[in-house]
Amino acid sequence: GESVGLHLPTLSVQEGDNSIINCAYSNSASDYFIWYKQESGKGPQFIIDIRSNMDKRQGQRVTVLLNKTVKHLSLQIAATQPGDSAVYFCAENHYGQNFVFGPGTRLSVLP
Amino acid sequence: EAGVTQSPTHLIKTRGQQATLRCSPISGHTSVYWYQQALGLGLQFLLWYDEGEERNRGNFPPRFSGRQFPNYSSELNVNALELEDSALYLCASSLAGRGVVQPQHFGDGTRLSIL
Repeated sequence: GESVGLHLPTLSVQEGDNSIINCAYSNSASDYFIWYKQESGKGPQFIIDIRSNMDKRQGQRVTVLLNKTVKHLSLQIAATQPGDSAVYFCAENHYGQNFVFGPGTRLSVLP
Repeated sequence: EAGVTQSPTHLIKTRGQQATLRCSPISGHTSVYWYQQALGLGLQFLLWYDEGEERNRGNFPPRFSGRQFPNYSSELNVNALELEDSALYLCASSLAGRGVVQPQHFGDGTRLSIL
């Protein structure tokens, strides 16, 4: 079946370093992707999205890269801060159907 | 602007009881989605409502049901509660797609505990 997965379940980075969180998706027809951040006790928070007609999209300190050839999505966080510690989910959508979420990656920022 | 609001924050029930969870979408959003997030797991899609109609449902038994009201708020009902129903239930809302998928924005969820 269709699935969205993550290569690394946990990621630890030093404060100030850049973080890269990866996501593999299996459905080549997916045309819309979102990254969410979920802090403990809270719901997922929208970070950034990208549609399949783009390869890269930048936000404030975050960049999403989409490689449709290998069905890979990544989230780059520049100058990682303690407040970035959370679980990050990627989600895919195709043809306006329901989103499929990956299992999540926990990002821990070390002092 | 208020975000997605869910109530109650926590709900404790016993096996066999029924639970009702409520969600108010962001103003202007007409689509509402429900997800189950069991401890340590990802989000599992439950239900999608748009303009008062059920548009899609995930792979859950019929005892999970819901509805959307004319003001676009929504209820999730879970009958004959089982221990495995213990989870965080998340509601999300989005603008009408008009042929273009819109991002979903989440509330902070209702923590349902079954004793």
